[in-house]
Amino acid sequence: GAVVSQHPSWVICKSGTSVKIECRSLDFQATTMFWYRQFPKQSLMLMATSNEGSKATYEQGVEKDKFLINHASLTLSTLTVTSAHPEDSSFYICSAPGQGAATGELFFGEGSRLTVL
Amino acid sequence: GQNIDQPTEMTATEGAIVQINCTYQTSGFNGLFWYQQHAGEAPTFLSYNVLDGLEEKGRFSSFLSRSKGYSYLLLKELQMKDSASYLCAASHGWGNDYKLSFGAGTTVTVRA
Repeated sequence: GAVVSQHPSWVICKSGTSVKIECRSLDFQATTMFWYRQFPKQSLMLMATSNEGSKATYEQGVEKDKFLINHASLTLSTLTVTSAHPEDSSFYICSAPGQGAATGELFFGEGSRLTVL
Repeated sequence: GQNIDQPTEMTATEGAIVQINCTYQTSGFNGLFWYQQHAGEAPTFLSYNVLDGLEEKGRFSSFLSRSKGYSYLLLKELQMKDSASYLCAASHGWGNDYKLSFGAGTTVTVRA
């Protein structure tokens, strides 16, 4: 149980275009989902917390108008990178707390590797 | 803010033991997670400590000292497949403020 699916796994886009990444909890409901970004050989950096039915909470330094987050239902959160630029190229991973071995354990999606040309 | 430190890289021989240390300074600390991440993949859960002491799970063990802000992950009988990045993560906050903050990760290379 506690499976999180993310789509697409790989995406290449032109500079200036927008890209949408979907994150779904397949066998549980997630009122909260977390979006992380990871640059090569660096750690996961929390970008924002997505809350079902309310606005997302963004971490300091993350532009909310550039990284649009929508938590449309208890099983779906989307991240849209608007007007993407090469510096936005990164590995984006979503996660959700589920009923795992530990309280508060996060289950991660497969990740989406974005390349902006 | 949150500050989590762990070594960047470690190398060990197959069959050996490696200990990855992690120190943290977080407000509203709840517990300490260890995740394993292979290159290009999502992290997978290894262990969770909320109380002081050692938690053993097969070849992997994790230790926590809340008073010292210190944890370690112990990998025994190393196998080649254990070559990966190991992420120390501190959970903090409650309810809607609950978050997991990650260290930069320790890349472990297992050599034959």
